[in-house]
Amino acid sequence: DAKTTQPPSMDCAEGRAANLPCNHSTISGNEYVYWYRQIHSQGPQYIIHGLKNNETNEMASLIITEDRKSSTLILPHATLRDTAVYYCIVANRDDKIIFGKGTRLHILP
Amino acid sequence: NAGVTQTPKFQVLKTGQSMTLQCAQDMNHEYMSWYRQDPGMGLRLIHYSVGAGITDQGEVPNGYNVSRSTTEDFPLRLLSAAPSQTSVYFCASSSRQGPYEQYFGPGTRLTVT
Repeated sequence: DAKTTQPPSMDCAEGRAANLPCNHSTISGNEYVYWYRQIHSQGPQYIIHGLKNNETNEMASLIITEDRKSSTLILPHATLRDTAVYYCIVANRDDKIIFGKGTRLHILP
Repeated sequence: NAGVTQTPKFQVLKTGQSMTLQCAQDMNHEYMSWYRQDPGMGLRLIHYSVGAGITDQGEVPNGYNVSRSTTEDFPLRLLSAAPSQTSVYFCASSSRQGPYEQYFGPGTRLTVT
């Protein structure tokens, strides 16, 4: 059974914030939320991860709800180069990565 | 640093042939893994290694062998290629086991006819 649910695709206008949702209602207390993305024909790229608190780095922000049952990845100023498939992964720190089908994000010029 | 390198980039095999996909990393990472990605699907874990001399199976290990004689290299062997093994193969490495900050190679696109 998939641990996460993501919309299959989303559109976002270039320059706007892209908000990618992820539902993980069965997350357990010691599981983290990780985000990766895969630009066409390339290997996946790690973006960010978090446990309970919101996190921000040079690529994105991660907002995790207080009950930890869902999260949102925010790309603050989307560019055409952000067009990719975005994967939300819930796992313990030592777990193997299980990729789902992700969200295909289209950045529109 | 070159990061994670994979060779070849493309390969065509006939059914029953064998070959080795090469993967190397120069980041002194202990953890390395192999994934395959089929059209319209996410990545599936084939085999992984938590250090030199230690390997284990992932979700889809059948038809593949691995070994880890050095920290840097983690080759994936197809003993007798089958059309079902047509896929894009990605190697990844990380400083630790788990989903945190895995670095992926550029991939090898394999076609078995």
